Amino acid sequence: DIQMTQSPSSLSASVGDRVTITCQASQDISNYLNWYQQKPGKAPKLLIYDASNLETGVPSRFSGSGSGTDFTFTISSLQPEDIATYYCQQYDNLITFGPGTKVDIK
Amino acid sequence: QVQLQESGPGLVKPSQTLSLTCTVSGGSISSGSYYWSWIRQPAGKGLEWIGRIYTSGSTNYNPSLKSRVTISVDTSKNQFSLKLSSVTAADTAVYYCARGPLQAPGVVDVWGQGTTVTVSS
Repeated sequence: DIQMTQSPSSLSASVGDRVTITCQASQDISNYLNWYQQKPGKAPKLLIYDASNLETGVPSRFSGSGSGTDFTFTISSLQPEDIATYYCQQYDNLITFGPGTKVDIK
Repeated sequence: QVQLQESGPGLVKPSQTLSLTCTVSGGSISSGSYYWSWIRQPAGKGLEWIGRIYTSGSTNYNPSLKSRVTISVDTSKNQFSLKLSSVTAADTAVYYCARGPLQAPGVVDVWGQGTTVTVSS
């Protein structure tokens, strides 16, 4: 089984700050990595697919990078509506989600 | 715009079988372009992928749940279903049904709103 880790588990940042979340896979997953945003009480929403591709309609302040085992998700300028939990998800072997990173406004 | 809606009992007794159905509207489940998944989330915790089914009937399951899970599809009703046997309190969660495109096998692009299932006597 492929295990996913994320760091940090939570963070607080100011509006306009650059926010970075890292995700690590327990083995090489190439670029088979997606990022989702989940707001309280809502289903997750796909933001980034194949590690770095922005889903249609998603604001360009969101971006992703990485390959192999190490991946990064970035919000270039944090907005109040970005308050959510962010999950990475691998699909190299079945599907596994990371534990999530909760993002708050400072 | 395709929509997914979960339905089923909100309360299940320990050791019994949890059964949920996902009804697909706004599109045909048998179009062949998608796979159909179940994902769950215990309160305050992260997402756990349960498994998926293709319209061919082929399935993949989370190894940690495989012995207890069955996912099936009923194309005549435009529905797919989840059965999870021998449930315990650890199976209490919000259960989501979801869709993913075949050309992007890991993507989950449409989600149901989720249904809460509690396992308790």
